Amino acid sequence: RKEVEQDPGPFNVPEGATVAFNCTYSNSASQSFFWYRQDCRKEPKLLMSVYSSGNEDGRFTAQLNRASQYISLLIRDSKLSDSATYLCVVNDLNDMRFGAGTRLTVKP
Amino acid sequence: DVKVTQSSRYLVKRTGEKVFLECVQDMDHENMFWYRQDPGLGLRLIYFSYDVKMKEKGDIPEGYSVSREKKERFSLILESASTNQTSMYLCASSRGLAGGGDEQFFGPGTRLTVL
Repeated sequence: RKEVEQDPGPFNVPEGATVAFNCTYSNSASQSFFWYRQDCRKEPKLLMSVYSSGNEDGRFTAQLNRASQYISLLIRDSKLSDSATYLCVVNDLNDMRFGAGTRLTVKP
Repeated sequence: DVKVTQSSRYLVKRTGEKVFLECVQDMDHENMFWYRQDPGLGLRLIYFSYDVKMKEKGDIPEGYSVSREKKERFSLILESASTNQTSMYLCASSRGLAGGGDEQFFGPGTRLTVL
């Protein structure tokens, strides 16, 4: 079983749609959680951290469910510029574990 | 702005060659990392370093070595390149304690092809 698992997609949605990604992790002792965004042929960049209480940044909402060991990312009112691969990242005691990514394409 | 640079964007080498990938960061970060990224597998950690001259193996260190002689520079070495080392190589840096979960800043990547 992979330590961090994501649905690879692709998710193809129209502009304005709401889309949600889930990510599951295997280590119950994981301490911190992140979503990174990676554009085609570019490096990953931090999108947002994920806090236990859930957090929101504009159109993006991240949530953590420790009991079920998953995190989620919700994107509202999708824009063409949201097209990218979204990487779920989980920090274990000494390592950052990256999921393989979920690819999103927003179409006009 | 944090800047992480890598010596080459694209590199083509032959099997058996020794390959050096260089990474430099300008934010005085303690931690530096080397990953490879392959389709469907995500980023896999090869080696990391939390201080000058210190190094720790990641998940897939076989066939690689690293060097950190200066705080800002972290080199990845393929002693004898093989075709299964064809991949995208990403360098990253972060401040603070290794494993502390601080944001990692990535370089643009080096796409290495081994023929």
